[in-house]
This record gives sequence, structure tokens and C-alpha cells, in this order.
Amino acid sequence: SAVISQKPSRDICQRGTSLTIQCQVDSQVTMMFWYRQQPGQSLTLIATANQGSEATYESGFVIDKFPISRPNLTFSTLTVSNMSPEDSSIYLCSVGRGDYGYTFGSGTRLTVV
Amino acid sequence: GQQVMQIPQYQHVQEGEDFTTYCNSSTTLSNIQWYKQRPGGHPVFLIQLVKSGEVKKQKRLTFQFGEAKKNSSLHITATQTTDVGTYFCAGPSGTGGTSYGKLTFGQGTILTVHP
Repeated sequence: SAVISQKPSRDICQRGTSLTIQCQVDSQVTMMFWYRQQPGQSLTLIATANQGSEATYESGFVIDKFPISRPNLTFSTLTVSNMSPEDSSIYLCSVGRGDYGYTFGSGTRLTVV
Repeated sequence: GQQVMQIPQYQHVQEGEDFTTYCNSSTTLSNIQWYKQRPGGHPVFLIQLVKSGEVKKQKRLTFQFGEAKKNSSLHITATQTTDVGTYFCAGPSGTGGTSYGKLTFGQGTILTVHP
């Protein structure tokens, strides 16, 4: 299955600032997925990132708040903009591997103070 | 939209006891996947079930996919402390979904095992 390098692993940020999370995959993939997970909760899909086109956002998530870049088939970034304490969460990227399910990055634990 | 419900939310067992978590989808699924997330870790793929009525085993873990392809279960026999974590089921979102598309996750079952 794919190996995903995600960074940073954690960060503490001031409200009003932005944080960019990076995911690097060891092979080319068409779609990359970005999730948010509150501690002890399930995973909520933020958006799907396709190379060469705009990301597709799920209900409740907007591009101005969570801009995504997908410059090539192995890399994507998610920016959490103008952060507030409500954005404190774990952010995960993921790629699909057919019969081998989905592989997740190790996650970014974000705390906004 | 599609909903995937999972019960129970929490399960506390003594080491050696069995454990089962159940997953129900509001729509028929082309496949269902199971993931395990250890405390402080990220979800790790366990298995995918595709066929109606399918049963798969991984050592002490038994996975079932319902005949109507709307429900699934994960059963662990004789739990060990290494089984601690959250178990999620997940199904493709939308119709005709493939394993490359979006997933909808159940709420997860948090398993604690007392030695």
C-alpha cells in the first residue's frame, strides 16, 4: 500500500493565523482526500483534491477557509485559514488503494489558542 | 445523504472476552471497509468486504457483510490488550462508488481491554 508523509505532526497556533499541512505520497494517485477528526470522534471529509482541477468540498467546508493545492500526482497541501479555537482538531490526508483500502497520513494535531 | 451507523459507541471488556461491533448503512453498499485506529494513531485499513454474505477472517478477527449489503460486523475472539483502539466501518459515498472514491465513516466503537 501507499506510504504518506504528512507534516507537521502537531502545531500550536495563534487565532487568526493560518497553517499549511503537507502530504507527500510515495506513488502517483488521482485523488487525495482531506479529513478532520475531533478527538474521540469519527472522520469527517473536508474535500477531495484532484490534480489539475479545483478541489471538491463537502457541505460545511469552503475554499476560503480550507484552500487546497494539488500541484502534482504525489503532493497536496491543506491550509487552515484565519484559525479559531473551533479549528482545533486532527487533520488527516488519505489516498485510496483499491482492494487495499485507504492509506492515511499520520495526522496533524492542531491546537489553536 | 448516506448514513453509516455503528454500535456500540464504547465497549469495555476483560482480556479474553469476545467483542463485536455492528455497522448499518442507510443505503446498499458496493463494499464495506474496516479500519482500526490505535490511541494517538491514524486509521489503518483492516479489510474490505465486497460480496453479499461474505465472511472473512484474520486470526482472531471475523468480518461479515450482510446479505442485503447494508450491514456488517466485526467480531474479535478472546480479546487481548493489543486490540485496544477505535474500530471504524466505512462505505463508499454515493451510488456506484468504488474503492477510489469518497468514504463515509461510521462513528466508531472505542474498545478498551482490561488485563
